[in-house]
Amino acid sequence: DSGVTQTPKHLITATGQRVTLRCSPRSGDLSVYWYQQSLDQGLQFLIQYYNGEERAKGNILERFSAQQFPDLHSELNLSSLELGDSALYFCASSPRVGGKNTEAFFGQGTRLTVV
Amino acid sequence: AQSVTQLDSQVPVFEEAPVELRCNYSSSVSVYLFWYVQYPNQGLQLLLKYLSGSTLVKGINGFEAEFNKSQTSFHLRKPSVHISDTAEYFCAVIPANQAGTALIFGKGTTLSVSS
Repeated sequence: DSGVTQTPKHLITATGQRVTLRCSPRSGDLSVYWYQQSLDQGLQFLIQYYNGEERAKGNILERFSAQQFPDLHSELNLSSLELGDSALYFCASSPRVGGKNTEAFFGQGTRLTVV
Repeated sequence: AQSVTQLDSQVPVFEEAPVELRCNYSSSVSVYLFWYVQYPNQGLQLLLKYLSGSTLVKGINGFEAEFNKSQTSFHLRKPSVHISDTAEYFCAVIPANQAGTALIFGKGTTLSVSS
């Protein structure tokens, strides 16, 4: 158990809908990362938050947004969903930015199916 | 920018045989290197990491990897595999001067161990 909790584990929704994925990082971890894993694109970095502030953006679509709350949990919002958004969405956390403590701990993912 | 190439998408081997999963990276700056494993229906788990020092790094479950700066490689090896090693393996990199930024992953190698 990595200590990172993602809910829900599975989500099935229709095209055009909006969903929210939730991530609780390991206790004390300040940094949260969101990744999308699909068969054709592999693991793509979407966005990083650090202590409530957006720190880095990757290949995140404009239809997607995220935030990190004061208790450090994070939510990834996906809107106007398309069939191609079907994927496994991972959240990872790490203690801080900088230094050599670089390991990221991954949750078990949320499998999103858009029908 | 950094990139990672995993040279084999699938590696089938027999139980108790040795295995090598190949990873090359591209970067204009020094990097930290990682191998993660993803078992079916699970999140990613860190196998090992190279930050500095000895170029031969030992990880969990009997895996090791060797950092070769001149060949920009970080190949993963195990002298004798078990059925339970069947999983997806990901090589990842971050710039050493940007610890705590998002990991950049290769597309993964599926290791299939059969009896």
